[in-house]
Amino acid sequence: AQSVTQPDIHITVSEGASLELRCNYSYGATPYLFWYVQSPGQGLQLLLKYFSGDTLVQGIKGFEAEFKRSQSSFNLRKPSVHWSDAAEYFCAVGADFGNEKLTFGTGTRLTIIP
Amino acid sequence: AAGVIQSPRHLIKEKRETATLKCYPIPRHDTVYWYQQGPGQDPQFLISFYEKMQSDKGSIPDRFSAQQFSDYHSELNMSSLELGDSALYFCASSFGGGGYGYTFGSGTRLTVV
Repeated sequence: AQSVTQPDIHITVSEGASLELRCNYSYGATPYLFWYVQSPGQGLQLLLKYFSGDTLVQGIKGFEAEFKRSQSSFNLRKPSVHWSDAAEYFCAVGADFGNEKLTFGTGTRLTIIP
Repeated sequence: AAGVIQSPRHLIKEKRETATLKCYPIPRHDTVYWYQQGPGQDPQFLISFYEKMQSDKGSIPDRFSAQQFSDYHSELNMSSLELGDSALYFCASSFGGGGYGYTFGSGTRLTVV
């Protein structure tokens, strides 16, 4: 069964600073990897996804993530955070067959300080 | 572009009542997934349907049931509601499996009082 680990429950960064959110996955086949962002009480917005090809994927809002198969990681990065980036971030893993469900990590709450 | 539509957006029920949540997937998407997200929790998979047949089942209580209809919309029926059922319920749809991506609805917030 697939699983996702987000080691950091809560991260605080200063506005304008760089950001990296960690995600490690466990999956027996080729994973499809996703990052979602959720503001309090809101829905899940897709930031980016990795299916195949270039291991560095670009997403919306200036986010990017790098797939590293050897480390089973899919870390999310942003060079300079904005106050509006404060939210909960979820990494998720899916598959390319059998209408496989998405499995989410426990999330990382991002706080931005002035 | 069309998105996944969930209704209602908010629902307040009393304990032991019944609730029905509806999900309208993106046109031509053949798979619907239901997730439950408790306060401060990650979304937990409940159940999914592919071409109107149940395709996978997660941690869905026996008090809950779901189905997908001929027009591909899905309904999640919840009976004998408990306070612990208060959560955000998301529906997602996909085409041909997750490889083409999953699109989530805005969710239904269920409050049981």
